Amino acid sequence: AQKITQTQPGMFVQEKEAVTLDCTYDTSDPSYGLFWYKQPSSGEMIFLIYQGSYDQQNATEGRYSLNFQKARKSANLVISASQLGDSAMYFCAMRESSGYSTLTFGKGTMLLVSP
Amino acid sequence: NAGVTQTPKFQVLKTGQSMTLQCAQDMNHEYMSWYRQDPGMGLRLIHYSVGAGITDQGEVPNGYNVSRSTTEDFPLRLLSAAPSQTSVYFCASSGGGQGVVTEAFFGQGTRLTVV
Repeated sequence: AQKITQTQPGMFVQEKEAVTLDCTYDTSDPSYGLFWYKQPSSGEMIFLIYQGSYDQQNATEGRYSLNFQKARKSANLVISASQLGDSAMYFCAMRESSGYSTLTFGKGTMLLVSP
Repeated sequence: NAGVTQTPKFQVLKTGQSMTLQCAQDMNHEYMSWYRQDPGMGLRLIHYSVGAGITDQGEVPNGYNVSRSTTEDFPLRLLSAAPSQTSVYFCASSGGGQGVVTEAFFGQGTRLTVV
């Protein structure tokens, strides 16, 4: 079974609108972390936001927020007020505390922002 | 502050050739990992290390060797390149320890083509 599932291969959004990228995960580890990374066309991996399994509040970083629903095992990324520069591939990833700081990635969602 | 440095950025190999992808980090991180990225597959773990002298296999280790003689360096060796190893390779490092979840810092990636 996949540990990280991103069901949206591609998403389109207009500039200035909000968009939600879906991520569901599967783990039996009570302690884990969920990450979102952005990969623009230039190829580098850019860390966006992190949510710990014990965090009581949803993580926020500027225009990025993470909608964490632990019971549903989902960790959706919300981008508010989309910008053209947000066009990129987005990866959801999980690190389990039982592992050695390695990440399990989803297959990614390509986001295209139109003017 | 260089972070994680990978070399080379691009490489073309002939089938059967060997080469080493270099990875160095200057953040004194214990944990280092190698991933490969293929279209539609996300990033998959090849090998990882939890400290100098300690390495282990990830999801897709066949055809690759690693060693960790120092904290800073974690080279990835392709023993006999095959077209199936055409991919983008990322090195990552992170701090913390088992049970401590922290973000991973990625190198810029190496685009490898095996012909």
